[in-house]
Amino acid sequence: KQEVTQIPAALSVPEGENLVLNCSFTDSAIYNLQWFRQDPGKGLTSLLLIQSSQREQTSGRLNASLDKSSGRSTLYIAASQPGDSATYLCAVMGAGNNRKLIWGLGTSLAVNP
Amino acid sequence: DTEVTQTPKHLVMGMTNKKSLKCEQHMGHRAMYWYKQKAKKPPELMFVYSYEKLSINESVPSRFSPECPNSSLLNLHLHALQPEDSALYLCASSQVTSETQYFGPGTRLLVL
Repeated sequence: KQEVTQIPAALSVPEGENLVLNCSFTDSAIYNLQWFRQDPGKGLTSLLLIQSSQREQTSGRLNASLDKSSGRSTLYIAASQPGDSATYLCAVMGAGNNRKLIWGLGTSLAVNP
Repeated sequence: DTEVTQTPKHLVMGMTNKKSLKCEQHMGHRAMYWYKQKAKKPPELMFVYSYEKLSINESVPSRFSPECPNSSLLNLHLHALQPEDSALYLCASSQVTSETQYFGPGTRLLVL
């Protein structure tokens, strides 16, 4: 059974820092991995999707990497800003017929001005 | 346009009421989803529609009844809910079930 773990659970950093959020999964037979952002009480915003055949994806100040064999993904945020404060969720889609997302519990990020 | 809309934003209902949540997307997506999210937890999948047919029901109690009238609309009919059903209900859509999911802002439901 696939399990997704995110470390750390919470992170507080000063503005301008580069930071790394970690996601690990137990079953390497994945179809893709997605990173989402959620602001308090709001819906989720898709940040990056990495297909199982890819190693990384970039969007602006965000870079996500995938190492399927070791069951790890990292989300790198460059030059963090207070507007980056949110919960970041990692979700894995299995490679079988059941296209469900298996979610981590998220990392709550606070970027302080 | 990558927008998924949900109405209402907030809903308060008694345990004997019947209400419906509505979700709409005009991105031409053929997969639509209902999720339930409790505070400080990730979303829990409830239902998946693929090409307007129910493809996944995660053993959701029958007091929740989904409906997909057409490829742009998804409803969730609620009846005889319990206080523990209070949560944020999120709708999402994707091109097909393997692609990026786009989420709506959610309906905050309170069952009294």
